[in-house]
Amino acid sequence: DTGVSQDPRHKITKRGQNVTFRCDPISEHNRLYWYRQTLGQGPEFLTYFQNEAQLEKSRLLSDRFSAERPKGSFSTLEIQRTEQGDSAMYLCAVTRDREGVRYGYTFGSGTRLTVV
Amino acid sequence: AQSVTQLGSHVSVSEGALVLLRCNYSSSVPPYLFWYVQYPNQGLQLLLKYTSAATLVKGINGFEAEFKKSETSFHLTKPSAHMSDAAEYFCAVSDRGGKLIFGQGTELSVKP
Repeated sequence: DTGVSQDPRHKITKRGQNVTFRCDPISEHNRLYWYRQTLGQGPEFLTYFQNEAQLEKSRLLSDRFSAERPKGSFSTLEIQRTEQGDSAMYLCAVTRDREGVRYGYTFGSGTRLTVV
Repeated sequence: AQSVTQLGSHVSVSEGALVLLRCNYSSSVPPYLFWYVQYPNQGLQLLLKYTSAATLVKGINGFEAEFKKSETSFHLTKPSAHMSDAAEYFCAVSDRGGKLIFGQGTELSVKP
């Protein structure tokens, strides 16, 4: 148990379908981050929230991607009209302080998306 | 802009041998640096972090890393490798906005 729950763990979808992932921190964390990790690469930043406010989005986050954190607790990441290039592991991370200095960042186990 | 370079995408050592995984960073401000480990199909687990206190940082599972400003390095070491250390290791720097910037990772193999 990492303290961050991600659902589903695996998702296989057909190209063109919409998918939604959920990230659920067990306890309160001010900041919540989404990362994407493709095979053989390090995670790449997608977006982050300070409480319910989305403060930054990477240029990797095309207009087919949308993320929400409606009550400042759990978060969802939706991909519309999926493409094969979206196949990756999507990781959620949380921290209680701005740069993870005191508490570090806690990662969930990720959602592995396969677009066929 | 901050960046991280991990030298060597794959490192292989024998069980009981020294583990050395290399990480160099680029940062215009004093960096916060992290090492994470990732097992297959899992998320990332924090091994250790440098936050401008002691330059030699001790982490979990016998790992440690030394921050060397003059060399812009933050190499990860462990005196004696164990089979359970086989995994992917990522070095990361935290930018002042709080997001992590990762290196490409080093896969560690441990031979019996």
